[in-house]
Amino acid sequence: KNQVEQSPQSLIILEGKNCTLQCNYTVSPFSNLRWYKQDTGRGPVSLTIMTFSENTKSNGRYTATLDADTKQSSLHITASQLSDSASYICVVSYSSASKIIFGSGTRLSIRP
Amino acid sequence: EAGVTQFPSHSVIEKGQTVTLRCDPISGHDNLYWYRRVMGKEIKFLLHFVKESKQDESGMPNNRFLAERTGGTYSTLKVQPAELEDSGVYFCASSPRTGVYNEQFFGPGTRLTVL
Repeated sequence: KNQVEQSPQSLIILEGKNCTLQCNYTVSPFSNLRWYKQDTGRGPVSLTIMTFSENTKSNGRYTATLDADTKQSSLHITASQLSDSASYICVVSYSSASKIIFGSGTRLSIRP
Repeated sequence: EAGVTQFPSHSVIEKGQTVTLRCDPISGHDNLYWYRRVMGKEIKFLLHFVKESKQDESGMPNNRFLAERTGGTYSTLKVQPAELEDSGVYFCASSPRTGVYNEQFFGPGTRLTVL
């Protein structure tokens, strides 16, 4: 069964600290993996995309990694800011990117 | 450039009523997608338009849901008659192309509450 699992479900950290969010997937045939940020009341916004051959991708303070062998991805946030408070969703595309599956997301709260 | 817009932002209706959600994609985007997130669950795919044609409607839950994209511009999603389990947030997304690096741009969603 194709599915995407994320952990933790929620996370609270202090401003300025780093954190890492996890995504495990069982999807075949894999096409790409995206991390999205979703602020409350808004639609998801893409942060990074990685294909099978890419194992790391950065976007400012966000760094995503992908291990296609273990089917795991992580999103590392460095020097967190209050504006990083949001849900972070892992989305995996398969079947030539025509199909996508969303993870349930990690709700991240940054405290001052 | 205007992003994907959705209307209304919120809708509260009673069971058995009809509701129509609208999505205006980014101008020039041929691909339009509808998704839904029900309470506590992950976002799930409903269907995909390429211009005015339904490319994939495998995610539509049942025949109470009807999506249209006449003229290949904006799209509507009608729920008739609405049931309690239809409550959730309905997202629309658009993209200029398909393929491995296809990026979908999401609208803010319509929150539907069926009482």
